[in-house]
Amino acid sequence: EPEVTQTPSHQVTQMGQEVILRCVPISNHLYFYWYRQILGQKVEFLVSFYNNEISEKSEIFDDQFSVERPDGSNFTLKIRSTKLEDSAMYFCASRGLAGREQYFGPGTRLTVT
Amino acid sequence: KNQVEQSPQSLIILEGKNCTLQCNYTVSPFSNLRWYKQDTGRGPVSLTIMTFSENTKSNGRYTATLDADTKQSSLHITASQLSDSASYICVIGGSTLGRLYFGRGTQLTVWP
Repeated sequence: EPEVTQTPSHQVTQMGQEVILRCVPISNHLYFYWYRQILGQKVEFLVSFYNNEISEKSEIFDDQFSVERPDGSNFTLKIRSTKLEDSAMYFCASRGLAGREQYFGPGTRLTVT
Repeated sequence: KNQVEQSPQSLIILEGKNCTLQCNYTVSPFSNLRWYKQDTGRGPVSLTIMTFSENTKSNGRYTATLDADTKQSSLHITASQLSDSASYICVIGGSTLGRLYFGRGTQLTVWP
């Protein structure tokens, strides 16, 4: 069964460094999402992406964040200058054109020290 | 403000017993309501998706209800199994673009 994959599973970085989180959505999906979950808190929407552009973003998704689909398979989230409060689990999700279902990846745990 | 509230925060039941989890929401616009299961350290997995016109939806031992007038939903789990131990999250789809609003979840523990 197709699934969303994410790499790395765990990323440790120092405050102020740039990180890129990678996702491979399900191959025929067209809508892509990033969410984050700070430890012990609820999952929060960051951004949605369709047709090579951002379709919606939350207040969390400020100028430090960017997304890109550099090729036909990868979907990335870049954090330019990480802060301690960026430490969280980051989930990628994808959705097909016809369905409502979003399929989530296993997540990348980002730890900023 | 768009909110999704769940109760109880945590629940412990014995294997084989039934339980019901509650969700109240104030998200607008409302597109759909979902229940997800999330194991610790894993991504959420969808159990059911309901639109405002659906009152009940089942997926095996999981049955979700929706009252769009009162903005309440429940998830009923029958004949619980040890593998049901997880966080159950009520999620609202707020627009056709797909943005999701998550509740904090109910942490369910099933004891043998």
